[in-house]
Amino acid sequence: GAGVSQSPSNKVTEKGKDVELRCDPISGHTALYWYRQSLGQGLEFLIYFQGNSAPDKSGLPSDRFSAERTGGSVSTLTIQRTQQEDSAVYLCASSLAVAGAGEKLFFGSGTQLSVL
Amino acid sequence: LAKTTQPISMDSYEGQEVNITCSHNNIATNDYITWYQQFPSQGPRFIIQGYKTKVTNEVASLFIPADRKSSTLSLPRVSLSDTAVYYCLVGGASGGSYIPTFGRGTSLIVHP
Repeated sequence: GAGVSQSPSNKVTEKGKDVELRCDPISGHTALYWYRQSLGQGLEFLIYFQGNSAPDKSGLPSDRFSAERTGGSVSTLTIQRTQQEDSAVYLCASSLAVAGAGEKLFFGSGTQLSVL
Repeated sequence: LAKTTQPISMDSYEGQEVNITCSHNNIATNDYITWYQQFPSQGPRFIIQGYKTKVTNEVASLFIPADRKSSTLSLPRVSLSDTAVYYCLVGGASGGSYIPTFGRGTSLIVHP
């Protein structure tokens, strides 16, 4: 597709369940980011993938959160044993990550996660 | 990482020019300045980026003074559809080790 695609667009789950959120970045983009955004707040960085390098996981809020990126393309964010405070919009972005040029991120529309 | 400061909110009216200023006193020599726009229920959208002086595209203009410690996003003749949150970011020339940091942005409300 032409843009970043995220699925599902909405996810309602019960507390304690595991959820998987998917991101399809723009073809050819080597960098992929996950953020989350609570209502009325800014974006909170979660994790960053760049090419074949080890991901930067410094933003993950707990060990219940994990992410992988297969084949340098599709990424899945997994939240285990979900808690109500995990409710937020989860946003994925990708970029070309060209050295010496300013970064421009392209975002998906996000997954609205609601934990009941 | 360079920290940015911008107003939390602004109000304007249709047809007016809106200027949103962002302070970034500790911007690094090779940092770019990038602005994003976010509508409700959508991810942020890139609108403009610059390094120095002035940049203009079909959406906005970006003014950067010589010391680069601030920048001003200018939206000409705003309409109701320009109501959104605008984020100012600095960084991004490292080509692979840059993690964009989004603050709370500036919530612009355009009134009829």
